[in-house]
Formats: sequence, structure tokens, C-alpha cells
Amino acid sequence: DAEITQSPRHKITETGRQVTLACHQTWNHNNMFWYRQDLGHGLRLIHYSYGVQDTNKGEVSDGYSVSRSNTEDLPLTLESAASSQTSVYFCASSANTGTSGGKQFFGPGTRLTVL
Amino acid sequence: SQQGEEDPQALSIQEGENATMNCSYKTSINNLQWYRQNSGRGLVHLILIRSNEREKHSGRLRVTLDTSKKSSSLLITASRAADTASYFCATSGGYQKVTFGIGTKLQVIP
Repeated sequence: DAEITQSPRHKITETGRQVTLACHQTWNHNNMFWYRQDLGHGLRLIHYSYGVQDTNKGEVSDGYSVSRSNTEDLPLTLESAASSQTSVYFCASSANTGTSGGKQFFGPGTRLTVL
Repeated sequence: SQQGEEDPQALSIQEGENATMNCSYKTSINNLQWYRQNSGRGLVHLILIRSNEREKHSGRLRVTLDTSKKSSSLLITASRAADTASYFCATSGGYQKVTFGIGTKLQVIP
């Protein structure tokens, strides 16, 4: 069965370190998204991609970067981790449905703690 | 900023009762979606309603959309303890990405 996976599931790191969170999907979806979820804020979009070599900034992109070298993977990199980036991170993917956002499939999430 | 705002933010009901959650949004949309999130898990898509639709059903779920009021409601009938979760609306306005609301936390008491 197709799925979307994230690794690691839990990560503790120190301020200033570079961290990369992995996201891998086998749906063959063109669209991939990274969100962070914090109490009181719901899900906020960090970066997204509509296909290979395409990346776009979301509403909370500062301090994060992504790259899309193939269809299956969209790794999220925190260049220099900050305590404000302590959060739960979700990756999602969706098929290209034309002009409107379609059903998104979510990974299980990565809980990141920055000390 | 969030596009959708769910109301109420928390809801507690007895098993067997109906649960109604509302979502209001600010700009025009092409579709609106509802998702469920169980504690510690990723979101799961429940239903999508297009801007030219007024009502949609899926099992015990009923979604309505009023584009003139920029609002939607999710009704879960005959609730079960397993329906305990957070529910999010998400709006799409012409691009592949969607914008999520803050969510409604539903507790169904057995």
C-alpha cells in the first residue's frame, strides 16, 4: 500500500545545530508540504513543492529550507536550530488536481525539541 | 495567518449525541475540506466540498457550505467514543496548497 513516512519520529537537538527531517511518499504525488503544529496555532505551512526542482515558501519559512530532487522525497532542513522551532512537524502529499488543493495524505509527524 | 477558524475550540458530548463544528473563513475558496487528527497522529482527510456544492454526506458525517456567509459546518451524528479527536477545516482558493484552521477538540464521553 502507498504511504508517507517521516523520520526520525522524535529528535532532540541543541540550539545552533543543523537538523534535517526526512519525508518519503510512495503515492507518486507531485505535491508535497511541510507543516508545523503548535498549540493555539493549528497547522502552519513551512514550505511546499509542486514537483521535482520546485520549492516555495509558506507562511513560516524563516530558518527552514527544502529541496526536491525526486518525486518521493522532500527533506526539511533547519539551518541553525532555535528553541522557537521546537514543534511537531508534519509532511503531507497530494495529487495535482488542477487549480484547487486536493485531499492531502499526512505522515505520522516528527516531534522536534531544541534545547 | 489562518484562513479558517473553527468554533467551538472544544466540545464535550455524550456518546450517541450529535456533534456540530463550525468553520468560518475570510476569502473566496474553490473547496473546503475537513480533517480529523487523533492524539499523537497525523491528520486524516474526511470530506471535501466544492464551492458550488451546499451539502455533502459521508457515512455519519454531514458537511454544509454557505459561501455567502463564508462558513461551513461538520455534523457527526450518533457520536462514538472513537470520534474523540481534533477536527480541522482547510480551505483552498485556487492553488494546490490549503490553509488549515486551529481546530476543534471533540471529546465523546462513553
